[in-house]
Amino acid sequence: GNSVTQMEGPVTLSEEAFLTINCTYTATGYPSLFWYVQYPGEGLQLLLKATKADDKGSNKGFEATYRKETTSFHLEKGSVQVSDSAVYFCALSVRTSGSRLTFGEGTQLTVNP
Amino acid sequence: NAGVMQNPRHLVRRRGQEARLRCSPMKGHSHVYWYRQLPEEGLKFMVYLQKENIIDESGMPKERFSAEFPKEGPSILRIQQVVRGDSAAYFCASSPGANEKLFFGSGTQLSVL
Repeated sequence: GNSVTQMEGPVTLSEEAFLTINCTYTATGYPSLFWYVQYPGEGLQLLLKATKADDKGSNKGFEATYRKETTSFHLEKGSVQVSDSAVYFCALSVRTSGSRLTFGEGTQLTVNP
Repeated sequence: NAGVMQNPRHLVRRRGQEARLRCSPMKGHSHVYWYRQLPEEGLKFMVYLQKENIIDESGMPKERFSAEFPKEGPSILRIQQVVRGDSAAYFCASSPGANEKLFFGSGTQLSVL
């Protein structure tokens, strides 16, 4: 079956620190990979995605590269801000399941000024 | 263009009562997905519907849970005879077609007393 594993949280950083949140996956077929962000009291928003090996998704200073050889899609940002505090979810979908997503457990990020 | 609308935002029920959660997809979207987020966990897929059809209900509990997406009106997730373990955030997402970007609502927080 399909599954996504994220690094255990929560993660607490100071403003302008470097961020890495690890994500690995197992999937039947050739998945598309996503990072979603959930701000307090809100629904999930798509942060970035990649649909094939070696693709790099990027948005708002966040990046993640689809690594087929290591089945990973780690999220990185060079300099975090307080406003980046949220829960981050790694997810995958396979074409045979429509737009159905399989999510990781989520990682709570807190950025302190 | 309004986003995905879920109501109520918060729902409190006593054990044994029924809970009805509503989801109005974005305009032009005919595909709806329901997810459940238990405390401290990621989102788990429940059911995928198109207008008047259930496409994939592999994530739905076998008893007490049902979902519909009628030709007119919102999608409804119905939980009969609720138990404390049903307490969770329930998220709806919609897309214009299969394998297309998902847009999430803000969720319904169900609390069972």
